[in-house]
Amino acid sequence: DVKVTQSSRYLVKRTGEKVFLECVQDMDHENMFWYRQDPGLGLRLIYFSYDVKMKEKGDIPEGYSVSREKKERFSLILESASTNQTSMYLCASSTTGGAGTDTQYFGPGTRLTVL
Amino acid sequence: AQTVTQSQPEMSVQEAETVTLSCTYDTSENNYYLFWYKQPPSRQMILVIRQEAYKQQNATENRFSVNFQKAAKSFSLKISDSQLGDTAMYFCAFMKVGGGADGLTFGKGTHLIIQP
Repeated sequence: DVKVTQSSRYLVKRTGEKVFLECVQDMDHENMFWYRQDPGLGLRLIYFSYDVKMKEKGDIPEGYSVSREKKERFSLILESASTNQTSMYLCASSTTGGAGTDTQYFGPGTRLTVL
Repeated sequence: AQTVTQSQPEMSVQEAETVTLSCTYDTSENNYYLFWYKQPPSRQMILVIRQEAYKQQNATENRFSVNFQKAAKSFSLKISDSQLGDTAMYFCAFMKVGGGADGLTFGKGTHLIIQP
């Protein structure tokens, strides 16, 4: 089974802090994604990566950056956290070959609160 | 750009009943995938079922089945013999074929409550 893990289930930070959210997958997937989930808005794509050191902006990249130095790890960075970034953050991964191509598998999520 | 619409924000049924969740989408793509994901109160997003647009046969997974109407751009999920553990948010999602490195486009979700 695919396993996607995220470093924290709950996180509380102060406005202006630099925040790192970490995601690790164990299936050698090429593609990794960061979404944020807000009530009534569903899931919205922040950034995605299709290879090491490669990244592409999603629908709502403002205020975020990402890093992918190793294939299994994809980090989401909030350079200066703001209260409007309080949200649930979900990481996902997928492969573009073999069984289950293009199906995204999700981590458990990180509930971030910015005070 | 694609859009996915789930018109039922919340539904409630009795245990053992059959329930159908609606999803419509809009796209100019011809080759794509459609998915239903389930998110229980524990928050882990779990894949329920996947449909390839080129397949005419509707996908099934145990008690879960879909009614895929490509011309109508409709993709409903039917849950048979509903169980208390089916209580969750259900999200319909779209992705074009070859867009594996792109993200999914999600609907806003349907909160399904199974009553004992």
